[in-house]
Amino acid sequence: TAGITQAPTSQILAAGRSMTLRCTQDMRHNAMYWYRQDLGLGLRLIHYSNTAGTTGKGEVPDGYSVSRANTDDFPLTLASAVPSQTSVYFCASSDPGVPDTQYFGPGTRLTVL
Amino acid sequence: GENVEQHPSTLSVQEGDSAVIKCTYSDSASNYFPWYKQELGKRPQLIIDIRSNVGEKKDQRIAVTLNKTAKHFSLHITETQPEDSAVYFCAALAGQGGTSYGKLTFGQGTILTVHP
Repeated sequence: TAGITQAPTSQILAAGRSMTLRCTQDMRHNAMYWYRQDLGLGLRLIHYSNTAGTTGKGEVPDGYSVSRANTDDFPLTLASAVPSQTSVYFCASSDPGVPDTQYFGPGTRLTVL
Repeated sequence: GENVEQHPSTLSVQEGDSAVIKCTYSDSASNYFPWYKQELGKRPQLIIDIRSNVGEKKDQRIAVTLNKTAKHFSLHITETQPEDSAVYFCAALAGQGGTSYGKLTFGQGTILTVHP
């Protein structure tokens, strides 16, 4: 199985433009998460979804939106990108059979100019 | 909300020595504490975790200890090797602990360098 995948691997985006980061998992995990990673700040939760059809806000949700139409996909959208959203974005999922353990995707490096 | 502090931010050891990384957390309701290893340009990988009903857990050269009273937990790596060089993150589970879903709060990370 592929596990958890993200696309694109990297992207340079002009400020003010919109962008959707894609995340797909084939493990049938119910819960999915989006984090951003910035130097010296570790990983911070942006949004999460406990199950298809539901989403919730994390620690740093402003400027981002998510949707969860099905179990496998959890896209993250930046409606109007700003330079402070330059970061590495990681998607993660967790297996209800092993509560709380989260597995990470390979990440997307986003630069907003 | 939960706050996790991690120390030190950098740690340099000689091959074969032990390394210890410490984390403190603020929410006494937190009950799940994973440790992740992240190599340069790669994704975080879970290396060990501990739940609040135990005080210590070992897996070969790595171990984690938890002191719920003091609200701190530590990662111990023995007989370090150059391939242990990476960034290590601790985390604590806030919110709906013990169910399928949880919001992890991460520490700021420790850059571990093991010199041959």
